[in-house]
Parts: sequence; C-alpha cells; structure tokens
Amino acid sequence: NAGVTQTPKFQVLKTGQSMTLQCAQDMNHEYMSWYRQDPGMGLRLIHYSVGAGITDQGEVPNGYNVSRSTTEDFPLRLLSAAPSQTSVYFCASRELSGVETQYFGPGTRLLVL
Amino acid sequence: EDQVTQSPEALRLQEGESSSLNCSYTVSGLRGLFWYRQDPGKGPEFLFTLYSAGEEKEKERLKATLTKKESFLHITAPKPEDSATYLCAVQAAGSNYQLIWGAGTKLIIKP
Repeated sequence: NAGVTQTPKFQVLKTGQSMTLQCAQDMNHEYMSWYRQDPGMGLRLIHYSVGAGITDQGEVPNGYNVSRSTTEDFPLRLLSAAPSQTSVYFCASRELSGVETQYFGPGTRLLVL
Repeated sequence: EDQVTQSPEALRLQEGESSSLNCSYTVSGLRGLFWYRQDPGKGPEFLFTLYSAGEEKEKERLKATLTKKESFLHITAPKPEDSATYLCAVQAAGSNYQLIWGAGTKLIIKP
C-alpha cells in the first residue's frame, strides 16, 4: 500500500494564481482531511470529508475549496493565492468512527510570492 | 476552550541522556490522546494512542503515559536518530473526527 500520497511536493505561486493540491489514499478510509502547518503553531484543520460527496469546513477554511468525488481522492483548491497561504499542507486519512489513527501524506510546501 | 500545550518548545540532549516531553490538555472530556513523530520535510508518523488516565504504552526507547491533565513522552537513553519533532493531539468527547493539536517539541540528540 502506498498509504497517503500528495502532489506536488513543492510549488511556488504568484499572488492571485490558482492551483490544486492533490491527495490520494489507498486504504479505503472514509475520512480525509487537509491541514496546514505553520512555524510555532499546531496543525490547523482546513477542510475535511466523511465520504464521497460530503465535505465540511474546519478551523481555517477561508480561501480554500474541496470536493470529494471518490473515496480515494480529496483535492484542495486555492482559488486566488495570497502570501498568507504560504505554508506546508498535509493531507490525512483515517477510519471514520471511534478513536482512530490518522495517517498523513508527505506534505506539499507552498510559497506564495 | 479546548487546548493542547506542549513543553518545552525545544530540547537538546546528549546521547544517552534520558528526559521527558510534556503535553498538557484542557478538554471537556477525553476520547483519546495521540503522539506523533515528525521528521524534517515529512508528514507526522503515528506513535501511540492513549485512552484513559493511568494508561502507558512503550515502543523501543519511548514510553507514553497519561493522567487526567497531561501526558508525558519519556525518552530513555536516546540516540541521534530519535531527533525529531514530537506532536501531541487530543480527540475530545463529542468529537467524532477532529483533533486538537499542540505546537510540538523539537528534540535534538547530540552524539
């Protein structure tokens, strides 16, 4: 199993550009989520999904969109990039119910100029 | 407000020098507490889940313990390869999915 995969590993954008961060998992997990990680702060939840066609906002959703058309894929879209979105982005997945371990992807490092 | 605080922010130890990392939490009921390890440029890697006060879990040189207010990650006779950032997260009662994360402790083990 590849686990959770993310592409690209690194991206540079100019302010106002849009892009999609890709995330896929092969563990048949219903729950998937996107976090951002900034220096000195804990992981912050952006959006999450509990199954295909079902998404919801996390702690810091502004400026980001998500969709979930399949169990495997959960892309994160930046509609109009801003320097404040410079961060490292992690995708994670887990079983849906109970107290379950989250499995993380390797991350995408994003720089917005 | 639910909150997780990790201390210290950074810890430098000599190889073989044992120590502990702290994760204190304030939540309205605890469903589970997680410890993760994160190497530079990589995603967090799961270490332990603790569910109730008094519980302990061990893995190689690491031992995690839990009380009603905090968790400790004890590192015994660490090696340079134990250098990493250690993250703590809590799943509160009433939450099926969302975790509250601490900012992490960066551990550096010098040979």
